[in-house]
Amino acid sequence: QQQVKQSPQSLIVQKGGISIINCAYENTAFDYFPWYQQFPGKGPALLIAIRPDVSEKKEGRFTISFNKSAKQFSLHIMDSQPGDSATYFCAARRGSTLGRLYFGRGTQLTVWP
Amino acid sequence: DAGVIQSPRHEVTEMGQEVTLRCKPISGHNSLFWYRQTMMRGLELLIYFNNNVPIDDSGMPEDRFSAKMPNASFSTLKIQPSEPRDSAVYFCASSPGQHTDTQYFGPGTRLTVL
Repeated sequence: QQQVKQSPQSLIVQKGGISIINCAYENTAFDYFPWYQQFPGKGPALLIAIRPDVSEKKEGRFTISFNKSAKQFSLHIMDSQPGDSATYFCAARRGSTLGRLYFGRGTQLTVWP
Repeated sequence: DAGVIQSPRHEVTEMGQEVTLRCKPISGHNSLFWYRQTMMRGLELLIYFNNNVPIDDSGMPEDRFSAKMPNASFSTLKIQPSEPRDSAVYFCASSPGQHTDTQYFGPGTRLTVL
């Protein structure tokens, strides 16, 4: 049973465009929502994260939008660049689970120059 | 500082053979996670340890898989006997534990079982 559902599975965006990846969850005990970025041949690495007490967090061109009532959160990549081409994973954590993350299935983003 | 170290980076073996994957977490990290990544199933958590103690091994596919963490600086994931469906990339990740939730992933071991 997938605790975090992610869409789309793949995404193609023109350079300079906006990339949007969506995730949804059911467990209201989740209290931490990170996004990880994975380049081919590498392990995933933390990109940006948010806690449910805020509705938005921005770091450079990357923004997480969080909707607690809808139990959804999304990653927006502004001015997408070819170097952003990677697989993106959303995840969620319950505070009592010693750091265990529940990952979405991943979105393969391709940014065309 | 060195990141999470995994060895070997690539492993090709024949069905029925024993495979041992190794991981050295970042020094000082309290939690260690083993993941398996495939196209079909994405990133799956197999098992995780906190302070060298296994906390949740419900993701281990079957008895052919076992994991140990004899000390804070070393962990192994063993598959015996291996099967072609075990072919995947296996990642180890570590986390400081207290006050931070970031997991730091190693480069992975690409396992191919023929």
